[in-house]
Amino acid sequence: GQQVQQSPASLVLQEGENAELQCNFSSTATQLQWFYQSPGGSLVSLLSNPSGTKHTGRLTSTTVTKERRSSLHISSSQTTDSGTYLCASRTGKLTFGDGTVLTVKP
Amino acid sequence: EAAVTQSPRNKVAVTGGKVTLSCNQTNNHNNMYWYRQDTGHGLRLIHYSYGAGSTEKGDIPDGYKASRPSQENFSLILELATPSQTSVYFCASGDGTGGADTQYFGPGTRLLVL
Repeated sequence: GQQVQQSPASLVLQEGENAELQCNFSSTATQLQWFYQSPGGSLVSLLSNPSGTKHTGRLTSTTVTKERRSSLHISSSQTTDSGTYLCASRTGKLTFGDGTVLTVKP
Repeated sequence: EAAVTQSPRNKVAVTGGKVTLSCNQTNNHNNMYWYRQDTGHGLRLIHYSYGAGSTEKGDIPDGYKASRPSQENFSLILELATPSQTSVYFCASGDGTGGADTQYFGPGTRLLVL
């Protein structure tokens, strides 16, 4: 079945630095979705980006479908960005990666 | 108001007991999903549904049943709970538009099976 690999597993930044998160998936996906999971556990959809580049606020996602990879760029990180970022790809059903744990220090 | 709610939020069960996790959505979405998340890992799909009366097996259905009695409600049933089912369970609803199904998640249920 579909496999989703995320890197790095964890990332520590100083406030104001940029973050680059990577997601690789094993099969061509019809949908690629990025989620944020708060330290308390709640999940929020950030972006749905099956191909190309999408922006929302300080977030930019770029998906290269042929190369089966996607990235999430967070500009000017803030302490409130701390949490886990999950990538999920769809080939029929959504398959999730294990996430990148982001810690932003003040 | 929260569009996807789950109950209970926390549950302690005994091995061999029956556990029912409930999910309610007010998004009027056709699709609903049950996932589990183990510490340090992503979500894994247990069961899903395309509408009232339908349930489908996900990637890890063994030991779980699902019930979708209405558009709004989707339950996950553990007939004989085991310690390996200790996890956090998330319900989601999806709008299912075209080939992209943006999913909206509930707050999760923490289940501990002793």
